Amino acid sequence: SQQGEEDPQALSIQEGENATMNCSYKTSINNLQWYRQNSGRGLVHLILIRSNEREKHSGRLRVTLDTSKKSSSLLITASRAADTASYFCATDNKGDYKLSFGAGTTVTVRA
Amino acid sequence: DVKVTQSSRYLVKRTGEKVFLECVQDMDHENMFWYRQDPGLGLRLIYFSYDVKMKEKGDIPEGYSVSREKKERFSLILESASTNQTSMYLCASSLLRGAGVNEQFFGPGTRLTVL
Repeated sequence: SQQGEEDPQALSIQEGENATMNCSYKTSINNLQWYRQNSGRGLVHLILIRSNEREKHSGRLRVTLDTSKKSSSLLITASRAADTASYFCATDNKGDYKLSFGAGTTVTVRA
Repeated sequence: DVKVTQSSRYLVKRTGEKVFLECVQDMDHENMFWYRQDPGLGLRLIYFSYDVKMKEKGDIPEGYSVSREKKERFSLILESASTNQTSMYLCASSLLRGAGVNEQFFGPGTRLTVL
């Protein structure tokens, strides 16, 4: 069942701008992950944040996690055309190894 | 690097046909998963397997079955394809259960059209 829900559904920005998308979930989690999907392809793992972490960085990506609000955000700084993709958050319930994916945020970076 | 391959990128079948989608991973992962992806619905889990010959239903198993005879191979079977099974099918694998870190590695997907 879908647990994560991304917001907004779609985002269009100019190259060089930052892109922020949010994910909300319903039940307690072990960790939260973000994935990217380029058009018509499989998903690629971007970053994982554990439930006891509040912020994590990877290159131009910054992820925050607020377990009290059951929400996470993904920030892409200094966006590039190659960042055009759909972004999905995925959560796993404690003790489980399955992931529940949201419907995704589609990001378009305009040159 | 982990590689997950799927037998076809595009597939067109007729209603009522039996369809086999194959997935192979080369990193000795215990867990394997089949998802379908439809616009606005995200990824929905069909079946998963945590060991050879073991399988568990996901959220939408109706109309599908799976087979895992070897650790590296996980097959999705549509016993009698129907038009509502037209979708993108994604296979994924991950490390052993209970590892606490369960990043999934995805194949490129199979876009199935049932006419």
